[in-house]
Amino acid sequence: DVKVTQSSRYLVKRTGEKVFLECVQDMDHENMFWYRQDPGLGLRLIYFSYDVKMKEKGDIPEGYSVSREKKERFSLILESASTNQTSMYLCASSSGGGDEQFFGPGTRLTVL
Amino acid sequence: DQQVKQNSPSLSVQEGRISILNCDYTNSMFDYFLWYKKYPAEGPTFLISISSIKDKNEDGRFTVFLNKSAKHLSLHIVPSQPGDSAVYFCAGADSNYQLIWGAGTKLIIKP
Repeated sequence: DVKVTQSSRYLVKRTGEKVFLECVQDMDHENMFWYRQDPGLGLRLIYFSYDVKMKEKGDIPEGYSVSREKKERFSLILESASTNQTSMYLCASSSGGGDEQFFGPGTRLTVL
Repeated sequence: DQQVKQNSPSLSVQEGRISILNCDYTNSMFDYFLWYKKYPAEGPTFLISISSIKDKNEDGRFTVFLNKSAKHLSLHIVPSQPGDSAVYFCAGADSNYQLIWGAGTKLIIKP
């Protein structure tokens, strides 16, 4: 059974804090993605990675960075959290660039 | 500029009837399209896809229709069941092999 796991389901942080969101997949997938989901806006791509140590900006990378040191792990970093980064964060992986993506359960981040 | 649009934020359908969810797109270079289903507090799960060279794909109660000339696709669910209540996202796969997502439609199945 394929699996994408995210380190936290719910997270509350204060403005200015550094936030780490971890994602691990066990499918040996090449590609990993970070999205945020906001009501009425659907899923917006923040960053993606098609190989270890490789990263590409998505549609809304500002305020975020990522790290992929191992194939199975893709981390999203908020260097200095702001209230407008309160959102649902979804991690996904796929074997090919446009192939079916498998999603984790999401992390609901609230920045106070 | 939204390349994929789902113009109905929500849809309410009686159990047993047909649910039709619509999606419009502007990018004629999409290679194929996917539908995902999302329950609250869970990640989206893949439902069904269709290649741009086809006009219909069927999987059990779910059928996706693609009208390339109108740049329109629709997902039909027949018959609708209570467990179908969820948010449905359509996505197009572009030439860079990224998925471009619509905003989602919340489907409510009434008993």
